[in-house]
Amino acid sequence: AQSVTQLDSQVPVFEEAPVELRCNYSSSVSVYLFWYVQYPNQGLQLLLKYLSGSTLVESINGFEAEFNKSQTSFHLRKPSVHISDTAEYFCAVSPLNDYKLSFGAGTTVTVRA
Amino acid sequence: EAGVTQSPTHLIKTRGQQATLRCSPISGHTSVYWYQQALGLGLQFLLWYDEGEERNRGNFPPRFSGRQFPNYSSELNVNALELEDSALYLCASSFPGLAANEQFFGPGTRLTVL
Repeated sequence: AQSVTQLDSQVPVFEEAPVELRCNYSSSVSVYLFWYVQYPNQGLQLLLKYLSGSTLVESINGFEAEFNKSQTSFHLRKPSVHISDTAEYFCAVSPLNDYKLSFGAGTTVTVRA
Repeated sequence: EAGVTQSPTHLIKTRGQQATLRCSPISGHTSVYWYQQALGLGLQFLLWYDEGEERNRGNFPPRFSGRQFPNYSSELNVNALELEDSALYLCASSFPGLAANEQFFGPGTRLTVL
């Protein structure tokens, strides 16, 4: 079984400041790792994913996440946030041999001017 | 390309009634997944259908059931509704050829049980 822990439930941040959302996971098998974003009153959108290869993955809107196998972490970062980044962010894992996504509880990011 | 669609957007039922939620996957996708996003409980996996068959089921009682039709669309049925069934129900689709089984989510159906 897999479990995902998002260490911060709420992260308030000022516009143009950096942000880091922490995610740790537990699994007895190898997993794929994902970050999803949910804007208010919308469904989930895939932000980025780690499958294999380089441990640093980037999204098109400036987010990046680094896979750390020894610490079983997949923290999400953005060096400079915008008001439009206000959303809930979910870390998720999926075993290589399964199709079920296990999600963390979510981190709500609120960006203020 | 159209994304995953869900209907209705909102659904209000009373305790004991039945609810039916619908999902249309992205064209070409054969797998449909259902998740429940209840307040304070996060996103919980409910059901996975692929090629018309139920492949996996989350830790939910039997009154949560569903099916997948030949066109790969899916229904989620919730019988004997309870107040705690109030939640956002999200549907996602994928197909086995996608790397890491990337799932594409719909906007959800907000179910309110009074």
